[in-house]
Amino acid sequence: EAGVTQSPRYAVLQEGQAVSFWCDPISGHDTLYWYQQPRDQGPQLLVYFRDEAVIDNSQLPSDRFSAVRPKGTNSTLKIQSAKQGDTATYLCASSPRAPEVFFGKGTRLTVV
Amino acid sequence: QQKVQQSPESLIVPEGGMASLNCTFSDRNSQYFWWYRQHSGEGPKALMSIFSNGDKKEGRFTAHLNKASLYVSLHIKDSQPSDSALYFCAKSNTGYQNFYFGKGTSLTVIP
Repeated sequence: EAGVTQSPRYAVLQEGQAVSFWCDPISGHDTLYWYQQPRDQGPQLLVYFRDEAVIDNSQLPSDRFSAVRPKGTNSTLKIQSAKQGDTATYLCASSPRAPEVFFGKGTRLTVV
Repeated sequence: QQKVQQSPESLIVPEGGMASLNCTFSDRNSQYFWWYRQHSGEGPKALMSIFSNGDKKEGRFTAHLNKASLYVSLHIKDSQPSDSALYFCAKSNTGYQNFYFGKGTSLTVIP
């Protein structure tokens, strides 16, 4: 069974630039999560979806971050105007209707 | 924001030794607990789950849960260099919503 696929694996931006991250969850998983993981810290939830609906985006910096999952399968997380403080690994994860989360390898973002 | 506190921040054990990782949480509604392991450059991978009070053993790994004390731990017996990684405690209230993660314990096993 294929795991959660993310692209790109790495991104380097200057402040003010935009970037998009793409995620393909495990087939059949209805719940999809985006986490931000600063260096040497645990994953922190940004937003999660059940099918195409946003369930919780309260931790998403809404002025610069956006996330969509239009058909309830793949998802895109976009940062409109990156800041140095956004430097982190962005992890996508998916879950079936069971208490377990499966992570992708992440996108390591560096904003200079 | 629900709190998940892990200790120690880092741990060094000799090969063959016992590693003990601790996690406390603040929400008495927490029901589902997981330990995740993350090697450098990879995403976290589930190591084991524990949902009921008491001990759960899987091979060299034993998890312990005490919901009344808001405490969960992981013990790794006969530690191997390949166990060197970041370990995260994660918890969820319903199992079908957000999982909250601790900041992690960095384990180094020295040959």
